[in-house]
Amino acid sequence: DTVMTQTPLSSPVTLGQPASISCRSSQSLVHRDGNTYLSWLHQRPGQPPRVLFYMTSERFSGVPDRFSVSGAGTDFTLKISRVEAEDVGVYYCMQLSYLPYTFGQGTNLEIK
Amino acid sequence: EVQLVESGGGLIQPGGSLRLSCAVSGFTVSNNWIMWVRQAPGKGLEWVSVIYSDDSKYYADSVKGRFTISSDKSKNTVSLQMNSLRVEDTALYYCVRGSEYWGQGTLVTVSP
Repeated sequence: DTVMTQTPLSSPVTLGQPASISCRSSQSLVHRDGNTYLSWLHQRPGQPPRVLFYMTSERFSGVPDRFSVSGAGTDFTLKISRVEAEDVGVYYCMQLSYLPYTFGQGTNLEIK
Repeated sequence: EVQLVESGGGLIQPGGSLRLSCAVSGFTVSNNWIMWVRQAPGKGLEWVSVIYSDDSKYYADSVKGRFTISSDKSKNTVSLQMNSLRVEDTALYYCVRGSEYWGQGTLVTVSP
């Protein structure tokens, strides 16, 4: 199975400051079709996850510009340029290049 | 508008069966791939099963042989038949299109 490792697992951030989450896969996520099926999800307490980015860098409709992604192969990063109160919650990376699909452990973003 | 609505969850004893249903709108199940993802209380996300548009089906090892995914193109629904349920199957079960669209989830509680 493809293991997804996120760091950090907890990220206390001051409002208005940047935040960064890393996601590393145990094997390259480049699918045989040439695409990289890596998604970033955000889950607020008591709510279902919602996607931020899919296929590595495709921004989902309505996702603010303060969110950005980078990376390829096995190393990926989600960045928030200036954290706002609504950004709290758990962030997950998910790979859909190989079965079984797998998730990172989650990174809990909280406000200091 | 894309929507996925899960139903069928509930309280069941170990060894029992439940059938979850996912009613979709805004797209057709015949042209998309749908998966089930679950989240145990206070835990992270776990992929359970996926059905593709060619009707191929795959399962996580933890549910293989006990769960069966299916689709009904005439009703535009996807179902998850869960047999031989275990306490560790207790979770909120989400129906997901790709990784982009998530339902609100339906809670399955397996308890003596």
